[in-house]
Amino acid sequence: AQSVAQPEDQVNVAEGNPLTVKCTYSVSGNPYLFWYVQYPNRGLQFLLKYITGDNLVKGSYGFEAEFNKSQTSFHLKKPSALVSDSALYFCAVRVLSGNTPLVFGKGTRLSVIA
Amino acid sequence: KAGVTQTPRYLIKTRGQQVTLSCSPISGHRSVSWYQQTPGQGLQFLFEYFSETQRNKGNFPGRFSGRQFSNSRSEMNVSTLELGDSALYLCASSGTSGDRTDTQYFGPGTRLTVL
Repeated sequence: AQSVAQPEDQVNVAEGNPLTVKCTYSVSGNPYLFWYVQYPNRGLQFLLKYITGDNLVKGSYGFEAEFNKSQTSFHLKKPSALVSDSALYFCAVRVLSGNTPLVFGKGTRLSVIA
Repeated sequence: KAGVTQTPRYLIKTRGQQVTLSCSPISGHRSVSWYQQTPGQGLQFLFEYFSETQRNKGNFPGRFSGRQFSNSRSEMNVSTLELGDSALYLCASSGTSGDRTDTQYFGPGTRLTVL
């Protein structure tokens, strides 16, 4: 069965500092990985995805993520955090083989402090 | 292009009642998925539909059901509501080809409160 772990419930970072939100996955087969962000009382907004190719994926709002197959990780990063980046972040994984849905991690709350 | 719309946005029901939630996907999208979001369980997958066919179903009791219409609009129904069904129900649409690597785009959700 596929699964996603986001080991940190909460990440605090000062405005202007780099941020990292961690994600590790477990799948049988090739993973397809996604990051979403959720602001209060809103649905999820798509940030970026890795399907194949370059391990470094660039997405919306200056976010990027690096796919690391040996460490089964897909950490989300941003060089300089903004207060407006404060939100709930979800990592998700899917495999193409079999009839499996998109599986989400529990989420990480990011707090950027001015 | 208009995004995914969900109606109603808020619902209050009492135990034992039933409820129907509606989702209109992005124009041209043929796949719709439903998720339940709660503080304790996070995002739990409910159903996935493509061209009116249920492709996948999550681990929820039979009280939870869904369907998709020929115009790709989808509904989900919960019968005999329980307190634990209180949650944000999210709908997502994706793709025109049913490719499982397609990005899912989410609606704002329906907040269901069961009293």
